[in-house]
Amino acid sequence: AQKITQTQPGMFVQEKEAVTLDCTYDTSDQSYGLFWYKQPSSGEMIFLIYQGSYDEQNATEGRYSLNFQKARKSANLVISASQLGDSAMYFCAMRPGSTGGFKTIFGAGTRLFVKA
Amino acid sequence: DGGITQSPKYLFRKEGQNVTLSCEQNLNHDAMYWYRQDPGQGLRLIYYSQIVNDFQKGDIAEGYSVSREKKESFPLTVTSAQKNPTAFYLCASSSGGGGRLFNEQFFGPGTRLTVL
Repeated sequence: AQKITQTQPGMFVQEKEAVTLDCTYDTSDQSYGLFWYKQPSSGEMIFLIYQGSYDEQNATEGRYSLNFQKARKSANLVISASQLGDSAMYFCAMRPGSTGGFKTIFGAGTRLFVKA
Repeated sequence: DGGITQSPKYLFRKEGQNVTLSCEQNLNHDAMYWYRQDPGQGLRLIYYSQIVNDFQKGDIAEGYSVSREKKESFPLTVTSAQKNPTAFYLCASSSGGGGRLFNEQFFGPGTRLTVL
């Protein structure tokens, strides 16, 4: 079964500190894409970062980095120097290649609270 | 500015009525998607369309219908057959190519549907 698991329903982090949001995935596909999205209280989903299953380097986008451990099937999001505006829901997602790359599977999300 | 628009932002419906949610994109993307999000949960795929005049059922298509007559537009109809339609509905689009195996999705602001 293709599945995304996010085990942390909620996380607290102090402003300016780093935080790691966990994500594990399950697929038998060799080719897949992994994504993280942010959902502020307004509801719109915002793309943060992408990691391809064949990418050897961990992806980075500004303050966001993806800790990709393929053998463990984990794709944790690291946010460095947290800001108050980072308070939001964060979703890990996967696009398996066997679905033609069009179906995206989302995890249940982690709500991040950044404290001043 | 390129993006995805959804209307209306809030929608109230009486039981037994069909209602259509609008989704328009000017990103020139081939693929479009509809997701449903229930409180505290991730996104579930209702329908997706890879190209004009073609669409595929997602994981929870029962009680919903779509059309894709134009590249820019992918309206979703919530029919009276949908037993529990109160939810937040998100439309998304994605492009092909660009050097990645899998491209991220761009999301609209969402429509919050409440059945009275």
